[in-house]
Amino acid sequence: EAGVTQSPTHLIKTRGQQATLRCSPISGHTSVYWYQQALGLGLQFLLWYDEGEERNRGNFPPRFSGRQFPNYSSELNVNALELEDSALYLCASSSGQPRTDTQYFGPGTRLTVL
Amino acid sequence: RKEVEQDPGPFNVPEGATVAFNCTYSNSASQSFFWYRQDCRKEPKLLMSVYSSGNEDGRFTAQLNRASQYISLLIRDSKLSDSATYLCVVNTGGGGADGLTFGKGTHLIIQP
Repeated sequence: EAGVTQSPTHLIKTRGQQATLRCSPISGHTSVYWYQQALGLGLQFLLWYDEGEERNRGNFPPRFSGRQFPNYSSELNVNALELEDSALYLCASSSGQPRTDTQYFGPGTRLTVL
Repeated sequence: RKEVEQDPGPFNVPEGATVAFNCTYSNSASQSFFWYRQDCRKEPKLLMSVYSSGNEDGRFTAQLNRASQYISLLIRDSKLSDSATYLCVVNTGGGGADGLTFGKGTHLIIQP
């Protein structure tokens, strides 16, 4: 069974540009989570999508947004990029029962903002 | 107080030794608990869930103390391949910012 996939693997942008990151969950999983892991910091929760709807978001500015498509894949958009947005962006999926279900992570997209 | 706290280490341990990590959490409503392992520049991978009665998976034993709000991970007969960062993860059931919360991780180095 295929795991969570993310694209691109690496992304280099300059300040002020926009970045789009993509994630495909494990087949059968309806929930997708996005996390940011900056160097030396823990995973910071960004967004949670389930059944096509945004269910919750972390403490990030509105220029971090996303969506979930009917096939449960998801996109994370970061507008007006800043240097401190450089980080590993991880997507995880679960079957949609947040109380108990395990989240499985994709390999991440490493975003570098110059 | 941070929601999930871990000793960042690094823990330098000789191969074959037993090593234990602790993790404390602040939200008493937390419902499920996990240990993830993260290798350098890789994604976190589930190591094991942590159950109230404690659970074992091979060389790994996890325990939960709800009264004191801490979780532990014990690794016996450590291998070089156990070198990684171990993330304590707590789920309060909200699915989001108040759901899955990650500690910053404990860095383990197994030395030959």
